[in-house]
Amino acid sequence: DAGVIQSPRHEVTEMGQEVTLRCKPISGHDYLFWYRQTMMRGLELLIYFNNNVPIDDSGMPEDRFSAKMPNASFSTLKIQPSEPRDSAVYFCASVSGTSGGIRQFFGPGTRLTVL
Amino acid sequence: AQKITQTQPGMFVQEKEAVTLDCTYDTSDPSYGLFWYKQPSSGEMIFLIYQGSYDQQNATEGRYSLNFQKARKSANLVISASQLGDSAMYFCAMSDNTGTASKLTFGTGTRLQVTL
Repeated sequence: DAGVIQSPRHEVTEMGQEVTLRCKPISGHDYLFWYRQTMMRGLELLIYFNNNVPIDDSGMPEDRFSAKMPNASFSTLKIQPSEPRDSAVYFCASVSGTSGGIRQFFGPGTRLTVL
Repeated sequence: AQKITQTQPGMFVQEKEAVTLDCTYDTSDPSYGLFWYKQPSSGEMIFLIYQGSYDQQNATEGRYSLNFQKARKSANLVISASQLGDSAMYFCAMSDNTGTASKLTFGTGTRLQVTL
């Protein structure tokens, strides 16, 4: 099993640019989570999906952030326009709720730097 | 709202010794799950151990055990026979239910350094 795949692994962009982070969950997993890790705020949930439907987006900072899951094998997190305070490591995680799974498998993360 | 507190920003332990990393939590839900994750310097998040709020026995996974004291709302991680490879950040986290997938609330982490 390839595990959770995230791309790109590193992204450097300039303030005001659009950034799209991508995630491929483990095949068969029906829950997908997006987390953000910063020195100031630690690890925090942004949004999560169940069967491609957003369940809780209360952690999404503001309208500049949007997330989609068009199918069971792909999700995107978009920031438009990006700001320096968005610099962080963004993790995607997945879990199989239907088979009683509780352990979240994390991807390697995308390190975003906004200049 | 749920809250996880890790009061030890950093810990040192000698190789082959045991170490306890503290975690306290706050929730009004009777059903919750407690997790520990390890984050080495490479950055990935590695699942270590899980304890459900209704589990009677403390969870164990190899050298890791979770000292679950429900009345005190604590879920300390015990690592036995520390190894140099255990040097990493350790995060305690909780979910708002047990037995099914749910979002995690994380603590601020404890950086463990294993010395010779």
